[in-house]
Amino acid sequence: GIQVEQSPPDLILQEGANSTLRCNFSDSVNNLQWFHQNPWGQLINLFYIPSGTKQNGRLSATTVATERYSLLYISSSQTTDSGVYFCAAANSGYALNFGKGTSLLVTP
Amino acid sequence: NAGVMQNPRHLVRRRGQEARLRCSPMKGHSHVYWYRQLPEEGLKFMVYLQKENIIDESGMPKERFSAEFPKEGPSILRIQQVVRGDSAAYFCASSPSDSETQYFGPGTRLLVL
Repeated sequence: GIQVEQSPPDLILQEGANSTLRCNFSDSVNNLQWFHQNPWGQLINLFYIPSGTKQNGRLSATTVATERYSLLYISSSQTTDSGVYFCAAANSGYALNFGKGTSLLVTP
Repeated sequence: NAGVMQNPRHLVRRRGQEARLRCSPMKGHSHVYWYRQLPEEGLKFMVYLQKENIIDESGMPKERFSAEFPKEGPSILRIQQVVRGDSAAYFCASSPSDSETQYFGPGTRLLVL
């Protein structure tokens, strides 16, 4: 199956800082999603973005399918942004392959 | 529009018992997926179902695990004769079709004593 690698594995930010999380994938994709797993363990959908750019408030994402990577931007980070961010991709439509995640801690 | 619902949220079983995990997809979604999050292995795909059909169960352990999505009612993930290694978070997701956004439920945390 498709391989998904995320970087960095860990990130500590002060409140208000910006950050960029990266996701590399090994094959063409027809599904790519970003998730936030909050400290309570819930997986929150952030973006469905197999290609192109999307924005939602302080978050935005860009996927360059031809170069096989996706970026998640977090601006003006808040303590509630803490948690693990997962990238997941599929090249057969349904079986999402998850990366190992980026663990983000935003300090006051 | 209610999201994906899973119950129970927490389940404790003793070794050898059966665990039944339920998932109600979002309204209008006929595609259901189950994933498992093990502490050291991350999130892994288990099975993909449509109403009354198993489409892909390539991620399911060969023994003790089964899944169904009947015409009426929720999808069920059944684990027979649980062992400690089955302790994990089990997530269900749904979508209106494949190749679309999968929306995840809150998960069921299974603890096997």
